[in-house]
Amino acid sequence: KAGVTQTPRYLIKTRGQQVTLSCSPISGHRSVSWYQQTPGQGLQFLFEYFSETQRNKGNFPGRFSGRQFSNSRSEMNVSTLELGDSALYLCASSLATAQETQYFGPGTRLLVL
Amino acid sequence: QKEVEQNSGPLSVPEGAIASLNCTYSDRGSQSFFWYRQYSGKSPELIMSIYSNGDKEDGRFTAQLNKASQYVSLLIRDSQPSDSATYLCAVGSQAGTALIFGKGTTLSVSS
Repeated sequence: KAGVTQTPRYLIKTRGQQVTLSCSPISGHRSVSWYQQTPGQGLQFLFEYFSETQRNKGNFPGRFSGRQFSNSRSEMNVSTLELGDSALYLCASSLATAQETQYFGPGTRLLVL
Repeated sequence: QKEVEQNSGPLSVPEGAIASLNCTYSDRGSQSFFWYRQYSGKSPELIMSIYSNGDKEDGRFTAQLNKASQYVSLLIRDSQPSDSATYLCAVGSQAGTALIFGKGTTLSVSS
């Protein structure tokens, strides 16, 4: 069974731009969670989607948004990029809830200049 | 504020020794517990999950859970240099809430 995939793997953007990241979960998994990881901050939860609905949201500004499609694929968008948004963005999928085992994708490394 | 605490390390052990990684959590209602390993520049990969008090063994890895003390640990027997990585503890509480991750413990195994 294929694992979680994320595209693109690397991105370089400039301040003020916006970016869209994509995540395809493991087949049959319906819960998709997004995390931001920076040195020293650890994994910070962004949001979780299930059945095309945002079920949970972390403590991030409204510039961070996401959505989920009927096939469980998910996208996250960051608008008006700031230097501090440079990070590894990880997507994780689980069968039905974020409480179950989550399987991570390889991540998208975003650099904001 | 629900929290998961880990000693950041680095924890240094010689090859062949037992490495002991610890994690405490604040939410007494927590139900699910996970250990992930993350190599530098890579994404976290699941090592083990545990849901009940006691020990759970998988190869060289043993997870220990004590809900009364709100404590979960990971023992790595016969540590190998390839075990050198950051180990993340994650805790799940009530349904509908997010998994909470600790900041991780860096393990260094020297040959």
